[in-house]
Amino acid sequence: DVKVTQSSRYLVKRTGEKVFLECVQDMDHENMFWYRQDPGLGLRLIYFSYDVKMKEKGDIPEGYSVSREKKERFSLILESASTNQTSMYLCASSPGRDFPNSNQPQHFGDGTRLSIL
Amino acid sequence: GQNIDQPTEMTATEGAIVQINCTYQTSGFNGLFWYQQHAGEAPTFLSYNVLDGLEEKGRFSSFLSRSKGYSYLLLKELQMKDSASYLCAVPTSGTYKYIFGTGTRLKVLA
Repeated sequence: DVKVTQSSRYLVKRTGEKVFLECVQDMDHENMFWYRQDPGLGLRLIYFSYDVKMKEKGDIPEGYSVSREKKERFSLILESASTNQTSMYLCASSPGRDFPNSNQPQHFGDGTRLSIL
Repeated sequence: GQNIDQPTEMTATEGAIVQINCTYQTSGFNGLFWYQQHAGEAPTFLSYNVLDGLEEKGRFSSFLSRSKGYSYLLLKELQMKDSASYLCAVPTSGTYKYIFGTGTRLKVLA
């Protein structure tokens, strides 16, 4: 089974702090994604990566950055946390570098519920 | 534009059948996914449709009509553990991105 592991289930940080959310997958997947999920808004893509050191902005990248130094690890960074970044953050991975491998489902981690005070 | 619509909430009784609809508008089409998400947990993959018709997997079936931009998830013999949100997702053509619907929250009552 694919395993996507997020470093924390719950995290509480203060406004202005730099926050790191880590995600590791064990299935040698090329693609990795960071989403946030808010009530009534569904899943919104923050950033994704289709290869090591490659990154693409999603729909809501402002206030975030990412790092992918190794294939299995994709980190989300909140440069200066703000209260409007309080949310559930979900990491996902999927195989297949070359489109159209889009019939492969994304596999999600358990999520990190982040509160910014 | 690209968009997915699902009902926000549905309620059904244990043992019954429920149909959760999803309509989508995308430029290009490369299949449609259904995910289940229990409260506080990660979405888990349920089904994938790329051709028209019905795909059956035990108590769950998924239907696709590409010409109508329409899919549904059919859940039979409902159980309490089926209470969850059901997300419809479509890969966007030419990219690695998916568009997710906001999800349908299903409540199964005893």
